[in-house]
Amino acid sequence: DAGVTQSPTHLIKTRGQQVTLRCSPKSGHDTVSWYQQALGQGPQFIFQYYEEEERQRGNFPDRFSGHQFPNYSSELNVNALLLGDSALYLCASSLLTGGYNEQFFGPGTRLTVL
Amino acid sequence: RKEVEQDPGPFNVPEGATVAFNCTYSNSASQSFFWYRQDCRKEPKLLMSVYSSGNEDGRFTAQLNRASQYISLLIRDSKLSDSATYLCVVNSHNTDKLIFGTGTRLQVFP
Repeated sequence: DAGVTQSPTHLIKTRGQQVTLRCSPKSGHDTVSWYQQALGQGPQFIFQYYEEEERQRGNFPDRFSGHQFPNYSSELNVNALLLGDSALYLCASSLLTGGYNEQFFGPGTRLTVL
Repeated sequence: RKEVEQDPGPFNVPEGATVAFNCTYSNSASQSFFWYRQDCRKEPKLLMSVYSSGNEDGRFTAQLNRASQYISLLIRDSKLSDSATYLCVVNSHNTDKLIFGTGTRLQVFP
Protein backbone atom coordinates (compact mmCIF):
# COMPACT_ATOMS: atom_id res chain seq x y z
CA ASP A 1 0.00 0.00 0.00
CA ALA A 2 1.78 3.13 -1.24
CA GLY A 3 1.89 6.06 1.09
CA VAL A 4 1.90 9.70 0.04
CA THR A 5 4.44 10.42 -2.67
CA GLN A 6 5.82 13.76 -3.81
CA SER A 7 7.97 14.90 -6.69
CA PRO A 8 10.53 16.18 -7.18
CA THR A 9 12.47 15.61 -3.96
CA HIS A 10 14.67 18.67 -4.47
CA LEU A 11 14.41 21.70 -6.68
CA ILE A 12 16.52 24.81 -7.24
CA LYS A 13 14.97 27.89 -8.84
CA THR A 14 15.85 31.56 -9.17
CA ARG A 15 13.84 34.56 -8.07
CA GLY A 16 10.92 35.37 -10.35
CA GLN A 17 10.59 31.86 -11.73
CA GLN A 18 7.58 29.63 -11.38
CA VAL A 19 7.50 26.13 -9.88
CA THR A 20 5.09 23.19 -9.85
CA LEU A 21 5.22 20.53 -7.15
CA ARG A 22 3.30 17.25 -7.34
CA CYS A 23 1.64 14.97 -4.84
CA SER A 24 -0.05 11.57 -5.02
CA PRO A 25 -2.21 10.76 -2.00
CA LYS A 26 -2.23 7.56 -0.03
CA SER A 27 -4.40 4.87 -1.59
CA GLY A 28 -8.06 5.38 -0.63
CA HIS A 29 -7.64 9.04 0.33
CA ASP A 30 -9.56 11.82 -1.41
CA THR A 31 -8.27 15.01 0.23
CA VAL A 32 -4.90 16.70 -0.17
CA SER A 33 -3.45 19.46 2.00
CA TRP A 34 -0.27 21.43 1.35
CA TYR A 35 2.05 22.86 3.99
CA GLN A 36 5.17 25.03 3.86
CA GLN A 37 7.91 24.40 6.42
CA ALA A 38 10.66 27.00 6.64
CA LEU A 39 13.91 26.08 8.36
CA GLY A 40 13.50 25.91 12.12
CA GLN A 41 9.73 26.39 11.96
CA GLY A 42 6.70 24.15 12.11
CA PRO A 43 4.72 23.46 8.93
CA GLN A 44 2.23 26.17 7.91
CA PHE A 45 -1.03 25.32 6.18
CA ILE A 46 -1.28 26.61 2.60
CA PHE A 47 -4.54 25.09 1.35
CA GLN A 48 -6.60 21.91 1.06
CA TYR A 49 -8.25 20.33 -1.97
CA TYR A 50 -11.28 18.06 -2.04
CA GLU A 51 -13.38 17.08 -5.07
CA GLU A 52 -11.04 19.12 -7.26
CA GLU A 53 -11.84 22.33 -5.42
CA GLU A 54 -9.99 24.42 -2.86
CA ARG A 55 -11.78 23.69 0.39
CA GLN A 56 -9.77 25.77 2.85
CA ARG A 57 -6.92 28.24 2.53
CA GLY A 58 -4.28 29.51 4.92
CA ASN A 59 -2.67 32.93 4.99
CA PHE A 60 -0.68 32.69 1.75
CA PRO A 61 -0.69 35.13 -1.20
CA ASP A 62 -2.34 34.42 -4.53
CA ARG A 63 1.09 33.50 -5.95
CA PHE A 64 0.38 30.13 -4.36
CA SER A 65 -2.23 28.17 -6.29
CA GLY A 66 -3.17 24.56 -6.61
CA HIS A 67 -5.11 21.96 -8.44
CA GLN A 68 -6.56 18.55 -7.76
CA PHE A 69 -7.12 16.00 -10.51
CA PRO A 70 -9.91 13.40 -10.81
CA ASN A 71 -7.51 10.72 -9.52
CA TYR A 72 -7.08 12.85 -6.34
CA SER A 73 -3.45 13.76 -7.06
CA SER A 74 -2.58 17.40 -6.63
CA GLU A 75 -0.21 20.12 -7.76
CA LEU A 76 1.06 23.19 -5.94
CA ASN A 77 2.12 26.11 -8.14
CA VAL A 78 4.11 29.07 -6.95
CA ASN A 79 4.60 32.07 -9.25
CA ALA A 80 7.12 34.91 -9.07
CA LEU A 81 9.33 33.06 -6.60
CA LEU A 82 10.89 35.00 -3.74
CA LEU A 83 13.93 34.06 -1.66
CA GLY A 84 11.55 33.58 1.27
CA ASP A 85 9.74 30.79 -0.57
CA SER A 86 12.72 28.51 0.10
CA ALA A 87 11.30 25.77 2.30
CA LEU A 88 10.23 22.15 2.57
CA TYR A 89 6.82 21.74 0.93
CA LEU A 90 4.80 18.95 2.47
CA CYS A 91 1.73 17.29 1.07
CA ALA A 92 -0.66 15.45 3.38
CA SER A 93 -3.57 13.25 2.39
CA SER A 94 -6.68 12.15 4.26
CA LEU A 95 -10.11 10.63 3.74
CA LEU A 96 -12.87 13.15 4.32
CA THR A 97 -15.39 11.84 6.84
CA GLY A 98 -17.24 13.48 9.74
CA GLY A 99 -15.00 14.98 12.37
CA TYR A 100 -11.23 15.25 12.19
CA ASN A 101 -9.52 13.11 9.58
CA GLU A 102 -5.95 11.98 10.24
CA GLN A 103 -3.50 13.39 7.75
CA PHE A 104 -0.57 11.38 6.43
CA PHE A 105 2.43 13.34 5.21
CA GLY A 106 4.63 12.73 2.20
CA PRO A 107 8.43 13.09 2.32
CA GLY A 108 8.27 16.64 0.99
CA THR A 109 9.89 18.66 -1.77
CA ARG A 110 12.80 20.84 -0.73
CA LEU A 111 12.71 24.07 -2.74
CA THR A 112 15.67 26.42 -2.81
CA VAL A 113 15.23 29.84 -4.39
CA LEU A 114 18.46 31.65 -5.32
CA ARG B 1 1.04 35.90 19.41
CA LYS B 2 1.52 32.52 17.76
CA GLU B 3 -1.47 30.18 17.78
CA VAL B 4 0.63 27.32 19.16
CA GLU B 5 3.68 28.03 21.29
CA GLN B 6 6.44 25.65 22.28
CA ASP B 7 9.87 25.97 23.82
CA PRO B 8 12.21 25.26 20.87
CA GLY B 9 14.85 23.69 23.11
CA PRO B 10 17.13 21.91 22.50
CA PHE B 11 16.62 19.56 25.41
CA ASN B 12 19.79 17.51 25.89
CA VAL B 13 19.16 14.52 28.18
CA PRO B 14 21.01 11.29 29.01
CA GLU B 15 19.61 7.89 28.12
CA GLY B 16 17.10 6.75 30.71
CA ALA B 17 16.03 10.25 31.70
CA THR B 18 12.46 11.48 31.87
CA VAL B 19 11.73 14.61 29.84
CA ALA B 20 8.60 16.74 29.56
CA PHE B 21 7.52 19.10 26.80
CA ASN B 22 4.83 21.73 27.13
CA CYS B 23 2.77 23.63 24.64
CA THR B 24 0.06 26.31 24.83
CA TYR B 25 -2.55 27.19 22.23
CA SER B 26 -4.51 30.40 21.84
CA ASN B 27 -7.74 29.35 20.07
CA SER B 28 -10.25 28.04 22.57
CA ALA B 29 -12.27 26.59 19.64
CA SER B 30 -9.50 24.08 18.97
CA GLN B 31 -10.98 20.59 19.01
CA SER B 32 -8.26 18.06 18.31
CA PHE B 33 -4.74 17.90 19.66
CA PHE B 34 -1.71 15.90 18.67
CA TRP B 35 1.98 15.37 19.11
CA TYR B 36 3.93 14.72 15.92
CA ARG B 37 7.53 13.58 15.69
CA GLN B 38 9.83 14.86 12.96
CA ASP B 39 13.27 13.42 12.31
CA CYS B 40 15.91 15.58 10.65
CA ARG B 41 15.00 16.34 7.02
CA LYS B 42 12.01 13.97 7.13
CA GLU B 43 8.25 14.45 7.18
CA PRO B 44 6.26 14.78 10.43
CA LYS B 45 4.68 11.58 11.68
CA LEU B 46 1.83 11.29 14.17
CA LEU B 47 3.13 10.23 17.57
CA MET B 48 -0.13 10.34 19.47
CA SER B 49 -3.42 12.12 19.86
CA VAL B 50 -4.06 14.00 23.10
CA TYR B 51 -7.24 13.76 25.17
CA SER B 52 -8.47 15.54 28.28
CA SER B 53 -8.46 12.24 30.12
CA GLY B 54 -4.80 11.80 29.27
CA ASN B 55 -3.43 8.96 27.25
CA GLU B 56 -0.41 6.73 27.43
CA ASP B 57 1.45 4.76 24.78
CA GLY B 58 4.33 2.82 26.23
CA ARG B 59 6.91 5.31 27.49
CA PHE B 60 4.92 8.29 26.18
CA THR B 61 2.16 10.09 28.07
CA ALA B 62 0.19 13.04 26.72
CA GLN B 63 -2.16 15.32 28.62
CA LEU B 64 -4.55 18.11 27.68
CA ASN B 65 -5.79 20.87 29.98
CA ARG B 66 -8.58 22.68 28.14
CA ALA B 67 -9.11 25.27 30.88
CA SER B 68 -5.47 26.38 30.67
CA GLN B 69 -5.19 25.65 26.94
CA TYR B 70 -2.10 23.60 27.68
CA ILE B 71 -0.78 20.34 26.24
CA SER B 72 2.05 18.22 27.56
CA LEU B 73 4.14 15.24 26.48
CA LEU B 74 6.14 13.13 28.92
CA ILE B 75 8.80 10.69 27.72
CA ARG B 76 10.07 8.19 30.27
CA ASP B 77 13.27 6.11 30.03
CA SER B 78 14.57 8.11 27.04
CA LYS B 79 16.27 6.18 24.25
CA LEU B 80 18.84 7.42 21.75
CA SER B 81 16.20 6.80 19.07
CA ASP B 82 13.89 9.36 20.72
CA SER B 83 16.18 12.14 19.42
CA ALA B 84 13.97 14.20 17.11
CA THR B 85 11.84 17.33 16.99
CA TYR B 86 8.45 17.05 18.69
CA LEU B 87 5.70 19.18 17.19
CA CYS B 88 2.63 20.24 19.12
CA VAL B 89 -0.37 20.40 16.76
CA VAL B 90 -3.98 21.56 17.09
CA ASN B 91 -6.90 21.87 14.75
CA SER B 92 -10.16 23.77 14.97
CA HIS B 93 -13.71 22.52 14.90
CA ASN B 94 -14.97 21.39 11.49
CA THR B 95 -11.67 21.92 9.77
CA ASP B 96 -8.78 19.69 8.80
CA LYS B 97 -6.32 22.61 8.96
CA LEU B 98 -3.49 21.62 11.27
CA ILE B 99 -1.71 24.35 13.21
CA PHE B 100 1.82 23.43 14.23
CA GLY B 101 4.08 24.83 16.89
CA THR B 102 7.71 25.48 15.99
CA GLY B 103 8.71 22.17 17.55
CA THR B 104 10.88 21.20 20.50
CA ARG B 105 14.18 19.55 19.67
CA LEU B 106 15.23 16.59 21.84
CA GLN B 107 18.73 15.17 21.83
CA VAL B 108 19.33 12.03 23.91
CA PHE B 109 22.99 11.24 24.58
CA PRO B 110 24.64 8.00 25.78
